Amino acid sequence: GAVVSQHPSRVICKSGTSVKIECRSLDFQATTMFWYRQFPKQSLMLMATSNEGSKATYEQGVEKDKFLINHASLTLSTLTVTSAHPEDSSFYICSARRLAGGDTDTQYFGPGTRLTVL
Amino acid sequence: GQNIDQPTEMTATEGAIVQINCTYQTSGFNGLFWYQQHAGEAPTFLSYNVLDGLEEKGRFSSFLSRSKGYSYLLLKELQMKDSASYLCASMDSNYQLIWGAGTKLIIKP
Repeated sequence: GAVVSQHPSRVICKSGTSVKIECRSLDFQATTMFWYRQFPKQSLMLMATSNEGSKATYEQGVEKDKFLINHASLTLSTLTVTSAHPEDSSFYICSARRLAGGDTDTQYFGPGTRLTVL
Repeated sequence: GQNIDQPTEMTATEGAIVQINCTYQTSGFNGLFWYQQHAGEAPTFLSYNVLDGLEEKGRFSSFLSRSKGYSYLLLKELQMKDSASYLCASMDSNYQLIWGAGTKLIIKP
């Protein structure tokens, strides 16, 4: 099956620092990748849609200058949390959209990155 | 508006069958997904329905009725490892997933 990796899986950083999270589709090309965050006991919340070679589309309320997204290739998207603060501590999950032809259009999720900002 | 409804929590017994229902209202429709999520982990894909009817995949089956905006996930021969949250998501006309809040399934021996 399709595999999506995320790195790092866990990160602890000091307040004010920046953290970069990588999302890779390992065995397929993904023209679109999505970034989600999930707070404990809550549903996934879409942050932004990342399209290869173009600017990301951010959801309402998500600061584009704080959450920098780059989708430089068909297999890699990065999310950089700039000047992180404790309230940014969360579980960040990426997904990659795979077009399989026919009626199937599926998102495959990365394992997630747990960010803790001290 | 767009809305996905599913029960917050369900309890079932090991070896039994459980059905988790989901109703959806989205702008356009490009399929209904079910994901399983264990605590602290990312969701894993279970099933995809875009046409009406039942899709069976081992112990798990998923059903869709587009006219009713309704789907269910059926889990048979429940095992303790099936204890998890089950997320229903509808893909809208922009190919974005609209997520339900998830159903926490508790399996008892």
